[in-house]
Amino acid sequence: SYELTQPPSVSVSPGQTARITCSGDALPRKYAYWYQQKAGQAPVLVIYEDSKRPSEIPERFSGSKSGTMATLTISGAQVEDETEYFCFSTDSSGNHVAFGGGTKLTVL
Amino acid sequence: QLQLQASGPGLVKPSETLSLTCTVSDASVSSSNFYWAWIRQPPGEVLEWVATIYYNGDTYYKLSLKSRVTISMDTSNNEFSLKLRSVTAADTAVYYCARALKGGDSHLYFDYWGQGTLVTVSS
Repeated sequence: SYELTQPPSVSVSPGQTARITCSGDALPRKYAYWYQQKAGQAPVLVIYEDSKRPSEIPERFSGSKSGTMATLTISGAQVEDETEYFCFSTDSSGNHVAFGGGTKLTVL
Repeated sequence: QLQLQASGPGLVKPSETLSLTCTVSDASVSSSNFYWAWIRQPPGEVLEWVATIYYNGDTYYKLSLKSRVTISMDTSNNEFSLKLRSVTAADTAVYYCARALKGGDSHLYFDYWGQGTLVTVSS
């Protein structure tokens, strides 16, 4: 099976930049996707195909990728951004998909 | 706005069949533009893709579950369903239904998710 690795937690103060990483061996060749999940709610796609942002997602959310690591950046993090984020991608063959373990973002 | 609502029993006995239905609003499961999927998350564990179905009936299953899982579609009611047979405690999870799109690299990703429903396997 394929694994994507995320840090369990990231903390920033309001207004600071939060960076959440996701590492995986196939990321140089495969797109990364990012989801936001608030407690008791459906996951929401915030970044697709490494760096594209759905129209309804605030501009402070951005994505990038370098080598085996994808990064979700929240510029000027707000208290409302405090929640869980997880990444998603596929292995090199495309036959196995994987979700990262999730990162709890704390903004305080 | 697209909505997906998963429904089904919250408690299933070991060795029995887990059955869930996802009702879709504001999108057609018959559309060739979309795929439809089930994803689950056992307590304290990572999300796990379970199965996907396409409008033409093509189905895709996680290899380790393939022998026990069936995904199907009911176009008249605009819904799709999951059946997981011979369940054990390891199948206890929050089950999500989701819409999937084909990305630029031809691999699927999930753009809209339902809220999820907890299914507990216990006697």
